[in-house]
Amino acid sequence: DVKVTQSSRYLVKRTGEKVFLECVQDMDHENMFWYRQDPGLGLRLIYFSYDVKMKEKGDIPEGYSVSREKKERFSLILESASTNQTSMYLCASSEQGANYGYTFGSGTRLTVV
Amino acid sequence: QQQVKQSPQSLIVQKGGISIINCAYENTAFDYFPWYQQFPGKGPALLIAIRPDVSEKKEGRFTISFNKSAKQFSLHIMDSQPGDSATYFCAAIVGGSNYQLIWGAGTKLIIKP
Repeated sequence: DVKVTQSSRYLVKRTGEKVFLECVQDMDHENMFWYRQDPGLGLRLIYFSYDVKMKEKGDIPEGYSVSREKKERFSLILESASTNQTSMYLCASSEQGANYGYTFGSGTRLTVV
Repeated sequence: QQQVKQSPQSLIVQKGGISIINCAYENTAFDYFPWYQQFPGKGPALLIAIRPDVSEKKEGRFTISFNKSAKQFSLHIMDSQPGDSATYFCAAIVGGSNYQLIWGAGTKLIIKP
């Protein structure tokens, strides 16, 4: 069964900490995405990547960075976590040219205290 | 112009009834319209999708109706069941491009037994 795996289901971090959220896909997909999901705000794109070592800003990149050193792995980094970054984070992947067919991970619920 | 407007925000339907969720868009370059279903604690999963050269697509109890002139599309769930209780997202994309999915805000559907 094809999968997008997010390393943690729940995380609690302190304000100011550097936080790493990891995402791995086993489908050899070129595209990978990071979203955050908040009640009433839907899915908001943070960063995406169309190739190894390539990254593009989404709609809300402030306070985040990403790393894609290998095709299967896309990491989201919160350089200095803040309470307004408490959210559900979702990773997704898709084939090149088939952008509608996103496969999502189960999400990481991050709480910053 | 890039927005997809989804309504209602929440919906309660009796078991066996018809659930209807509506979406509207402005960008006439959109040429693929998927719907995603998200259960609590899970990432969204592709449910059904339609292209604008088709006015209706049916898969089991789920039907997408598409009105190109009105720039609207809707999801109908026939004979709604408690297991259909989930959050539903409509989306749109310029297919074959590197553009990302543009998401609606989501509809939380509750089916009452």
